[in-house]
Amino acid sequence: GESVGLHLPTLSVQEGDNSIINCAYSNSASDYFIWYKQESGKGPQFIIDIRSNMDKRQGQRVTVLLNKTVKHLSLQIAATQPGDSAVYFCAERGSYIPTFGRGTSLIVHP
Amino acid sequence: DAGVIQSPRHEVTEMGQEVTLRCKPISGHDYLFWYRQTMMRGLELLIYFNNNVPIDDSGMPEDRFSAKMPNASFSTLKIQPSEPRDSAVYFCASSFSRDTQYFGPGTRLTVL
Repeated sequence: GESVGLHLPTLSVQEGDNSIINCAYSNSASDYFIWYKQESGKGPQFIIDIRSNMDKRQGQRVTVLLNKTVKHLSLQIAATQPGDSAVYFCAERGSYIPTFGRGTSLIVHP
Repeated sequence: DAGVIQSPRHEVTEMGQEVTLRCKPISGHDYLFWYRQTMMRGLELLIYFNNNVPIDDSGMPEDRFSAKMPNASFSTLKIQPSEPRDSAVYFCASSFSRDTQYFGPGTRLTVL
């Protein structure tokens, strides 16, 4: 039979635009959330994290927003660059250890 | 710190052979994780250790897979016998407490 790969959501943006990557999490008891970036041929790399007692946290060019009411997490990347092209994963720590979502592919066009 | 170190980076073997993947976690981290990543199934947690003790191996596909952590600075993931469907990228990650996991560069395994 024909093999079917895991189809990741894809976000395409122009260089210089702002990007917003969304993640819905499942466990209302999750207390810690992490965003990772995975470039082709590399392992996932930590970008930014946020604890459940916060709504927003900012890093360098990145901002994470947490909406516990609707169990939604977002990663905002300002002035997106070609080097930001990668798969982005969110992870939530619910029952014990962080578990990963399926990822979103970000494609940045020069 | 050098980060999580994995070896080999690439492994090509024939079906039926034994494969051993190695991992050195970040010094001071008390959790170690093994993941498998494929296009079909994404990133899957296979097993994790806390203070060298296996805590949850429910993600290990079958008895052909085994993992050990003889000390705080070394872990192995063994596949015996290997099969073509085991072809994937295998990642090791470590963390302090249950916080952020730091990943190694991965081992790309190809079983012919």
